[in-house]
Amino acid sequence: DAKTTQPPSMDCAEGRAANLPCNHSTISGNEYVYWYRQIHSQGPQYIIHGLKNNETNEMASLIITEDRKSSTLILPHATLRDTAVYYCIVRVTGGGNKLTFGTGTQLKVEL
Amino acid sequence: GAVVSQHPSRVICKSGTSVKIECRSLDFQATTMFWYRQFPKKSLMLMATSNEGSKATYEQGVEKDKFLINHASLTLSTLTVTSAHPEDSSFYICSARDLPQGGYEQYFGPGTRLTVT
Repeated sequence: DAKTTQPPSMDCAEGRAANLPCNHSTISGNEYVYWYRQIHSQGPQYIIHGLKNNETNEMASLIITEDRKSSTLILPHATLRDTAVYYCIVRVTGGGNKLTFGTGTQLKVEL
Repeated sequence: GAVVSQHPSRVICKSGTSVKIECRSLDFQATTMFWYRQFPKKSLMLMATSNEGSKATYEQGVEKDKFLINHASLTLSTLTVTSAHPEDSSFYICSARDLPQGGYEQYFGPGTRLTVT
């Protein structure tokens, strides 16, 4: 699976959009970009995933660059409950594929 | 959405004893479950992949005789930490993969905090 690079930490004001970047310059054509988050002392939570088109669901939007070497997770209106570690993972979907977690980005949403 | 439960949520045991942690998929069938370990302020590290009805596949460096995994049904996998020592104290998290109709996504349990004294 391709390696990802994320900033270790970010701050965001409550109510503002949180934009979390991820670099995955060695991504292969059949690898998807997945985002999970982990609130302190809980199990990870799936957020969103995409291949090359931008994706949106009730939690977030995923913007993938045209060359697919980077992506941005957008939380449109961050709340205090969005404070968590956000993990960007690239992998081939299907089969019994493992998720390899990097160090992620610690997002802190403040008043 | 798919729900995965773990039991117990917290456990304290004495050094040398064994502890069993259960992972259940509550509203879907999981042919594959994964076990992770997470130390404080660290990321999740995959320990093993558990397939229903067959032996688990362990990651390099994980002792299969110490961390016994059983996946006896499509909704239950267990992890037994045998002869636990203080260095086994950690946060253990399982995840379950839905059958093909569910899209192959992984759903995580809430984790089990193990403290070995």
